[in-house]
Amino acid sequence: AQRVTQPEKLLSVFKGAPVELKCNYSYSGSPELFWYVQYSRQRLQLLLRHISRESIKGFTADLNKGETSFHLKKPFAQEEDSAMYYCALGEYGGSQGNLIFGKGTKLSVKP
Amino acid sequence: GAGVSQSPSNKVTEKGKDVELRCDPISGHTALYWYRQSLGQGLEFLIYFQGNSAPDKSGLPSDRFSAERTGGSVSTLTIQRTQQEDSAVYLCASSLGGPFVEQYFGPGTRLTVT
Repeated sequence: AQRVTQPEKLLSVFKGAPVELKCNYSYSGSPELFWYVQYSRQRLQLLLRHISRESIKGFTADLNKGETSFHLKKPFAQEEDSAMYYCALGEYGGSQGNLIFGKGTKLSVKP
Repeated sequence: GAGVSQSPSNKVTEKGKDVELRCDPISGHTALYWYRQSLGQGLEFLIYFQGNSAPDKSGLPSDRFSAERTGGSVSTLTIQRTQQEDSAVYLCASSLGGPFVEQYFGPGTRLTVT
């Protein structure tokens, strides 16, 4: 079964420190992977997707098929990065229409 | 332009009552999704519409849950005979085409069953 695991419920770092939010997935096909973010009192929104290979707000994520991981990284965390982060998996080419979300990691960046 | 809207924003109901939650997607978005966000459980997929049809109903937790979409636009999620475990934030999202383009989320409806 498809599954997305985010092992950390809460990650707390100091401003300027590197941050890595972990995401592991379980899927036998060719995955589509995403990171969504929800800032306080705002809507859930797309942060980045692996196929775009882009850096958004200084965040990057590399798909590692060997380790079945899609960790989100930023070299220097900012206070405004504090938010709830969700990793999501979509089934490429299948009939499924949904994204499977992990349970989320709350990132807290302290001044 | 306007984003995804949901109504009501908050709903408190008594156990056993039926509730209807509404979602207005972004104009022109053919795909519409319902998710449930429970404390500590992340986002749980409920149902997906492409146009007016729902090719994927696999996420509906029980037969008390149903959803429809009319005119390829507005969708209603109905929960019959609500139970306390139905308490959650119900999120709607829409997108152009299939599921792997960006999904745009609404603000959610917070349902509390007393």
